[in-house]
Amino acid sequence: GQNIDQPTEMTATEGAIVQINCTYQTSGFNGLFWYQQHAGEAPTFLSYNVLDGLEEKGRFSSFLSRSKGYSYLLLKELQMKDSASYLCAVRGDSWGKLQFGAGTQVVVTP
Amino acid sequence: GAGVSQSPRYKVAKRGQDVALRCDPISGHVSLFWYQQALGQGPEFLTYFQNEAQLDKSGLPSDRFFAERPEGSVSTLKIQRTQQEDSAVYLCASSLVDSSASPLHFGNGTRLTVT
Repeated sequence: GQNIDQPTEMTATEGAIVQINCTYQTSGFNGLFWYQQHAGEAPTFLSYNVLDGLEEKGRFSSFLSRSKGYSYLLLKELQMKDSASYLCAVRGDSWGKLQFGAGTQVVVTP
Repeated sequence: GAGVSQSPRYKVAKRGQDVALRCDPISGHVSLFWYQQALGQGPEFLTYFQNEAQLDKSGLPSDRFFAERPEGSVSTLKIQRTQQEDSAVYLCASSLVDSSASPLHFGNGTRLTVT
């Protein structure tokens, strides 16, 4: 079967760094996406990885290891507005079917 | 408009009623997707269109669910004889091109409550 696993919740302090891990087992691989979703709002695109390595975009970075079926999203200099659910999603063999994990709720405390 | 627009924002239906959910994708976007999101879960794929062609409907949970995009822009997701287990947020997304790297842009969703 196909599986995408990420922790349910993480708590961190304002200004700190948090790393959200995602492991996946899918039929084929055509890229991994990270989305941010605030409660009651649309998921918004953060990053895309298809090759191994680190992609950096401001305070957010995403890493991929295809051989390990593993990715992480790194959030630096945490701000209160970063409190949200972070969704890992994989595009497998079926192009149109982006498969999502259950999401990691990040709680940023003062 | 600048983003994906969905209507209605909230819908309450009595069990057994039919509902229709509308999605206006970003202008010019080729691909359109429907997802179902239960509380505390990630979005679950329902179906996807490339222009007016429905290329994958493997995620539709039963034959009570039907989606169309007749002119390759606006799409409607119809649920017949709604059941309580249909209660969820229904998200629509669009993407510009048919490329693996092309991200999905989501609307705010329609929250369906079946009583």
